[in-house]
Amino acid sequence: LAKTTQPISMDSYEGQEVNITCSHNNIATNDYITWYQQFPSQGPRFIIQGYKTKVTNEVASLFIPADRKSSTLSLPRVSLSDTAVYYCLVGGTGGSYIPTFGRGTSLIVHP
Amino acid sequence: GAVVSQHPSRVICKSGTSVKIECRSLDFQATTMFWYRQFPKQSLMLMATSNEGSKATYEQGVEKDKFLINHASLTLSTLTVTSAHPEDSSFYICSASSGGGFVDTEAFFGQGTRLTVV
Repeated sequence: LAKTTQPISMDSYEGQEVNITCSHNNIATNDYITWYQQFPSQGPRFIIQGYKTKVTNEVASLFIPADRKSSTLSLPRVSLSDTAVYYCLVGGTGGSYIPTFGRGTSLIVHP
Repeated sequence: GAVVSQHPSRVICKSGTSVKIECRSLDFQATTMFWYRQFPKQSLMLMATSNEGSKATYEQGVEKDKFLINHASLTLSTLTVTSAHPEDSSFYICSASSGGGFVDTEAFFGQGTRLTVV
């Protein structure tokens, strides 16, 4: 049973806001939600992490509803360089956690 | 943020030879390291988890005698692909954790190694 479900692909245009939603219906009480970005032939890069409500950093915002069964990564004013695959992971704090990747969302930003 | 260095970034080898990939945590002690394999247009597939000083735990379907993992120190883990064949050609990625689990930036990823077996 997949832990997370995301859209396979999304398209956007430069300057627009992009929202990518991830479903994680079986999230456990101690699970955090973490988003990574991956460019071709590179390792994943951490974007943002949260547990509930809203988290914002210099590159993105993460919205988590009260039931925590989904989360939305929001990228404000995307540029061509934001074209990448975005992965949402869920997991708890503790030495036994193993980062497991789902299929990810391939975002293509058009001029 | 913490840095994980993976070397080499790209390697081409002949079929039947062995290749070693290094993963180093440069500014923190990595008690746990993860090795992934990624085929074109697919997600990262976990191959094995290794804890410093212990034998690696391999995922189902991953041959432990073919993919040798050594995690002898808190800053270095190696993956050796033995008797490589063209079907082993892939993008290999390591990840290092300081052991507290998965909070904030506690798991860090290397740049990846593109292995091509000819």
